[in-house]
Amino acid sequence: NAGVMQNPRHLVRRRGQEARLRCSPMKGHSHVYWYRQLPEEGLKFMVYLQKENIIDESGMPKERFSAEFPKEGPSILRIQQVVRGDSAAYFCASSPTSDTEAFFGQGTRLTVV
Amino acid sequence: AQSVTQLGSHVSVSEGALVLLRCNYSSSVPPYLFWYVQYPNQGLQLLLKYTTGATLVKGINGFEAEFKKSETSFHLTKPSAHMSDAAEYFCAVSAGAQKLVFGQGTRLTINP
Repeated sequence: NAGVMQNPRHLVRRRGQEARLRCSPMKGHSHVYWYRQLPEEGLKFMVYLQKENIIDESGMPKERFSAEFPKEGPSILRIQQVVRGDSAAYFCASSPTSDTEAFFGQGTRLTVV
Repeated sequence: AQSVTQLGSHVSVSEGALVLLRCNYSSSVPPYLFWYVQYPNQGLQLLLKYTTGATLVKGINGFEAEFKKSETSFHLTKPSAHMSDAAEYFCAVSAGAQKLVFGQGTRLTINP
């Protein structure tokens, strides 16, 4: 059973471009969580999704950021018009139910130049 | 609301010495508590977790932590440090298993 797969591992974008980060949860997991880790900081919760539904997006910036988890395919975290402050590591985690341990992927490291 | 404070952003110990990483939490509901380890450019790996029951929790790689409600603490210990323990360690709290609130992290350095 493969772990949580995130791609790309590294992503470089120029200011103003769009960034798309993908997360394929573990097999059988229908709950996905996105976290952001700024340099020298801990992880901050962004959004919690279940298939086709956003359950909790209390950590998402109000503008430019969106997330989806379609019925088929990976979860996508989309950042429009990136700015330098978006440079961070973005981690995805998945779990089979809402009250079980979540497993983390290796992260996508976004650099905005 | 929940929060986590990790005391000491950097901890350095000698190989073979006791490792003690401190974590204090705040939670308005009975907490779930976690310790994760992160190696450079890697994701997070769960070391151990406390949900309910026994307050002394044993994890992987010889680590353990004790939940002390009266002190709102969940310190991580290992009797004898190994060079391979050098990494960043994160304490986290949640009201359930999800939406983890992480501390700032403690970077553990092992001196030969």
